[in-house]
Amino acid sequence: DIQLTQSPSFLSASVGDRVTITCRASQGISSYLAWYQQKPGKAPKLLIYAASTLQSGVPSRFSGSGSGTEFTLTISSLQPEDFATYYCQQLGTFGGGTKVEIK
Amino acid sequence: EVQLVQSGAEVKKPGESLKISCKGSGYSFTSYWIGWVRQMPGKGLEWMGIIYPGDSDTRYSPSFQGQVTISADKSISTAYLQWSSLKASDTAMYYCARRVAAQEVDYFDYWGQGTLVTVSS
Repeated sequence: DIQLTQSPSFLSASVGDRVTITCRASQGISSYLAWYQQKPGKAPKLLIYAASTLQSGVPSRFSGSGSGTEFTLTISSLQPEDFATYYCQQLGTFGGGTKVEIK
Repeated sequence: EVQLVQSGAEVKKPGESLKISCKGSGYSFTSYWIGWVRQMPGKGLEWMGIIYPGDSDTRYSPSFQGQVTISADKSISTAYLQWSSLKASDTAMYYCARRVAAQEVDYFDYWGQGTLVTVSS
């Protein structure tokens, strides 16, 4: 089974900061990678699919890149509503999550 | 508008059976896979399995194979997740989600609101 390792598992940042989250796969997965945002008590929300395609309606400050075994989710300028937990997913596996909190 | 509406919260005792549901609307229910995702209290997301309502083709994560049963009734656009004998460790939020799968893409684009299952004696 493919393992997805997210780093960091927790990060503290300020409004306006540029934030990067990494997802590493245990073996090459081409571009089969999606990113989700989850806020407390809510269902996950799709942000990016196919590693770099922004889901309709998602702000352009979110971007994704990578292929093979290393992928990144970048928030160019963190907004108050972006404080949440982020997950990567490839086929039948989710990463462990990255919680983004206010510094 | 695409919607997935899940059944309400459940409180059960160990050993009891349970079937929760996920009703799709606003799209062709038989043309997309439906997946189930578990989230234990304070923990991350776990991919449980998927079903294609068009022909009931079902795939399970090895971690959940034999522990749960996924099914669907396309006549009423509803997918199900069921347990024959619940354990305390089944206490979790369960989400259904619509899966988009094609060349180089595989993701869940619409999610249900979640069903909280609590198993306690």
